[in-house]
Amino acid sequence: DIQMTQSPSSLSASVGDRVTITCRASQSISTYLHWYQQKPGKAPNVLIYGASTLLSGVPSRFSGSGSGTDFTLTINGLQLEDFATYYCQQSYNIHALSFGGGTKVEIK
Amino acid sequence: QVQLVQSGSEVQKPGASVKVSCKASGYIFSSYAIHWVRQAPGQRLEWMGWIKAGSGITKYSQNFQGRITFTRDTSANTTYMELSSLRSEDTALYYCARVTVTASGYYSYYYMDVWGTGTTVIVSS
Repeated sequence: DIQMTQSPSSLSASVGDRVTITCRASQSISTYLHWYQQKPGKAPNVLIYGASTLLSGVPSRFSGSGSGTDFTLTINGLQLEDFATYYCQQSYNIHALSFGGGTKVEIK
Repeated sequence: QVQLVQSGSEVQKPGASVKVSCKASGYIFSSYAIHWVRQAPGQRLEWMGWIKAGSGITKYSQNFQGRITFTRDTSANTTYMELSSLRSEDTALYYCARVTVTASGYYSYYYMDVWGTGTTVIVSS
């Protein structure tokens, strides 16, 4: 199975900061990488698919990049509503999907 | 609107089974696959497998092979996840999620665009 490793596992940031979260796959997954945001008590919500394509309605301060094994989620100008946990997920192997361990973005 | 509504919380004893339902509305049920994902307290999201709502074809994560069964009732737009031989480590929040496929050039991306309301399963003696 493909292992997904996120870093950091948590971070503290202030409103307005630029935040970068990385996700690494244990093997090349091309651009079959998606990002989700999860707020406490809520189900995850997809933000980005295909490593870099924003879903409709997702603010443009979110961006994704990468291919192969290394990926990045960036939030430019962190807002209060962005404090949440973020997960990456690969769909290279549709018969064995997997998620990263999550990155919790907390208020400094 | 498109939504997935799951059955209520469950408390089961070790060794028992649990069956969770996921009722779809607002879209053509048979056109999508439903995946199941669980989240143990403080843990990462764990993919459990999928069922194609139209054909009933299933795929299970090896982590649950032999203990898990997905079924669906097309007349009720509902899918079910049954987990047997429960142990304390199965205590978690269980989600169903619709997977949509988006084509982009050479690629077809599968991602979970609609999630269920979640069902808490507690395994305790």
